[in-house]
Amino acid sequence: QKEVEQNSGPLSVPEGAIASLNCTYSDRGSQSFFWYRQYSGKSPELIMSIYSNGDKEDGRFTAQLNKASQYVSLLIRDSQPSDSATYLCAVHNAGNNRKLIWGLGTSLAVNP
Amino acid sequence: DVKVTQSSRYLVKRTGEKVFLECVQDMDHENMFWYRQDPGLGLRLIYFSYDVKMKEKGDIPEGYSVSREKKERFSLILESASTNQTSMYLCASSFPATKGGELFFGEGSRLTVL
Repeated sequence: QKEVEQNSGPLSVPEGAIASLNCTYSDRGSQSFFWYRQYSGKSPELIMSIYSNGDKEDGRFTAQLNKASQYVSLLIRDSQPSDSATYLCAVHNAGNNRKLIWGLGTSLAVNP
Repeated sequence: DVKVTQSSRYLVKRTGEKVFLECVQDMDHENMFWYRQDPGLGLRLIYFSYDVKMKEKGDIPEGYSVSREKKERFSLILESASTNQTSMYLCASSFPATKGGELFFGEGSRLTVL
């Protein structure tokens, strides 16, 4: 079992729809959770961080964390073609030598 | 505007050459990291550093070394480049442990070893 798992996709949604990206993790001691966006040929960019159970909203993005079920998700409302990218989930346990554990990413395509 | 700057965007080297990849950040971050990213393998941590003159091995340190003589600069060294080190290399920095997952990445250095 991988430490952080994501569906590789591609996830294809029409413009204006809600894109839902999911991530599960295995380390119950994880405390911090992050979503990075990576455009093709570019480096990852942090778009959301979440540290406690529940929802966190930032513009069109909502991160959801459920520690009991060990999953974190990212919702993108009113998806735009510019949201087409790979979304990387990363999980952090400060006690685990402070290293981030990365998923392999989900490729999202938003179709006009 | 905060920045992580990598010295070279594209490099082509020959097998056996010594390769230096340099990274400078202007955010006064304690933590710095070197990753490589390959299709299907994702981001893999090579080395990291939480302080000047300090370094720790990541998950794939073989064939690499690092240097951190100043807080803002973290260099990755390939002592004798091999074709399996052809990859995208990403430098990142972050604040200390409480926000250790909030990484700022450089633009990346795409290395081809022939």
